[in-house]
Amino acid sequence: NAGVTQTPKFQVLKTGQSMTLQCAQDMNHEYMSWYRQDPGMGLRLIHYSVGAGITDQGEVPNGYNVSRSTTEDFPLRLLSAAPSQTSVYFCASSYSHRLNEQYFGPGTRLTVT
Amino acid sequence: RKEVEQDPGPFNVPEGATVAFNCTYSNSASQSFFWYRQDCRKEPKLLMSVYSSGNEDGRFTAQLNRASQYISLLIRDSKLSDSATYLCVVKGLTDKLIFGTGTRLQVFP
Repeated sequence: NAGVTQTPKFQVLKTGQSMTLQCAQDMNHEYMSWYRQDPGMGLRLIHYSVGAGITDQGEVPNGYNVSRSTTEDFPLRLLSAAPSQTSVYFCASSYSHRLNEQYFGPGTRLTVT
Repeated sequence: RKEVEQDPGPFNVPEGATVAFNCTYSNSASQSFFWYRQDCRKEPKLLMSVYSSGNEDGRFTAQLNRASQYISLLIRDSKLSDSATYLCVVKGLTDKLIFGTGTRLQVFP
């Protein structure tokens, strides 16, 4: 199993550009989520999904969209990048919403200039 | 007040030392508790869940005190490889985890 994969590993965007961060898991997990990690802030939940076709907002959803058309994939779209979105983004998956263990991808380091 | 609070450290300890971290949480309805470990520039990984009666996993012991709303992690016989950031994580009634900012541990020879 590859576990949770994320692409790209690094990305530099200009303000106003859009892009999609890819996330995939091959563990047949129902629950998937996106976090951002900033110095001194801890991981903050952006969006999450409890199954294909179902998504919901987390703590910091503004400026991001998600969709979950398959169990495996959970892309995160930045609609119009802003410098405040400079961060490290982690995708995670879990067998169920009980979240007894979350498996994280390796992260995407995004810089918006 | 943050929902989950941790001392950021760093805790600098020699090999072989015992070190303990505490974490406090604000929501008394929190149901599940975890410690995750995050190495520098890597993703978090589950270290252990924390059970009401306390639990051990080798050199690691986790405790939960619901009355005072804190959890703790004790590491005995510290190894160089234990150097990392330890994240306290709490789950409430919703399908979401709340992460602390982490406590950094540096073990020196």
